[in-house]
Amino acid sequence: DTGVSQDPRHKITKRGQNVTFRCDPISEHNRLYWYRQTLGQGPEFLTYFQNEAQLEKSRLLSDRFSAERPKGSFSTLEIQRTEQGDSAMYLCASSPGDRGTGELFFGEGSRLTVL
Amino acid sequence: QQQVKQSPQSLIVQKGGIPIINCAYENTAFDYFPWYQQFPGKGPALLIAIRPDVSEKKEGRFTISFNKSAKQFSLHIMDSQPGDSATYFCAASGSGTYKYIFGTGTRLKVLA
Repeated sequence: DTGVSQDPRHKITKRGQNVTFRCDPISEHNRLYWYRQTLGQGPEFLTYFQNEAQLEKSRLLSDRFSAERPKGSFSTLEIQRTEQGDSAMYLCASSPGDRGTGELFFGEGSRLTVL
Repeated sequence: QQQVKQSPQSLIVQKGGIPIINCAYENTAFDYFPWYQQFPGKGPALLIAIRPDVSEKKEGRFTISFNKSAKQFSLHIMDSQPGDSATYFCAASGSGTYKYIFGTGTRLKVLA
């Protein structure tokens, strides 16, 4: 399977705990995006990387959220001191950037439940 | 200006019907308008996309109609099938970032 891979698929945690999600993009895709999707809503943009550089962060990404893509390959999204409002599906997507058609290829998401 | 407004929220059609989903945007800098299909428990997958230099694009049973002056675009699904039952999202992006702004989604149910 050469699609976008996300891990874990499901995470249940208690309020106040830290969680980390990992995303492995399609090989050679230089752009990587994180989105958050709550029930009944469309995905909301959080941040994106071109190679290892984080080019944009949404205002939705509070100080408790941090994302990295250290070697321009996989990425991690960490949420510190989780709150119940953080419960959502966290989607990762990748694209070949300017060499592509504009399509974002999404993973199946990591569902977070904060108790 | 960053919003994309999508309607209806839900839609039920008979098999063979032609569901139509509409989206409207404000930001004239948007230059790429994709439609994504999402099944429960799965990530969104691209269905069809259009750029503002054309008014219509067809791919199989799916057609996008685009009205640049009205800043509106719509998805038509011809000869709809029960397997088309899913949630559909329109989106818009611009400036080469492919940072999508998504609509709120339309839950489509096609009855057999």
